[in-house]
Amino acid sequence: DAGVIQSPRHEVTEMGQEVTLRCKPISGHNSLFWYRQTMMRGLELLIYFNNNVPIDDSGMPEDRFSAKMPNASFSTLKIQPSEPRDSAVYFCASRGPDYEQYFGPGTRLTVT
Amino acid sequence: SQQGEEDPQALSIQEGENATMNCSYKTSINNLQWYRQNSGRGLVHLILIRSNEREKHSGRLRVTLDTSKKSSSLLITASRAADTASYFCATDSGTYKYIFGTGTRLKVLA
Repeated sequence: DAGVIQSPRHEVTEMGQEVTLRCKPISGHNSLFWYRQTMMRGLELLIYFNNNVPIDDSGMPEDRFSAKMPNASFSTLKIQPSEPRDSAVYFCASRGPDYEQYFGPGTRLTVT
Repeated sequence: SQQGEEDPQALSIQEGENATMNCSYKTSINNLQWYRQNSGRGLVHLILIRSNEREKHSGRLRVTLDTSKKSSSLLITASRAADTASYFCATDSGTYKYIFGTGTRLKVLA
């Protein structure tokens, strides 16, 4: 298996633009997590899905953030409009059968 | 504040020495996990210990869990330069919503 796949790996955009981050979890994993990592705040859970259904989105910072999981093999995290304070590394992770999480390589987002 | 707080924040040791890092948490848990993150990469799962376990081994890793003190420790024996990374604990309180700590930055000097 190729592991969790994220795209793009790097994204540089201007304030106000829409940003879409993509994730393909490991096949067979039923839960998917989106995290954000910054030096100041560490690793924050944004939202997680179980069987494609959003279970807890309490970590989503504000209405500018939205996430979808239309099927078991694909999820998106969208920021619209983006702001400089959204600059961070965004990770997607899927959970294996023994509760361990498998992380993707991350998307480094820079909003100027 | 974070559910898991690692201590120390940073640790620098010589190759061959043992490295010990600690994690404290606030609420009761079902299990606790340790992850490693190399610079610029995603986190990698190392080991999971359940709330009814006190100690677990995996290769050069030894994890202990003290639920009465709400703390865990990760010991890496005979450290190598390749162990240089940040290490995080993550707690699951039964909701499958893992809360990650602030991490310990380990540097192993060759």
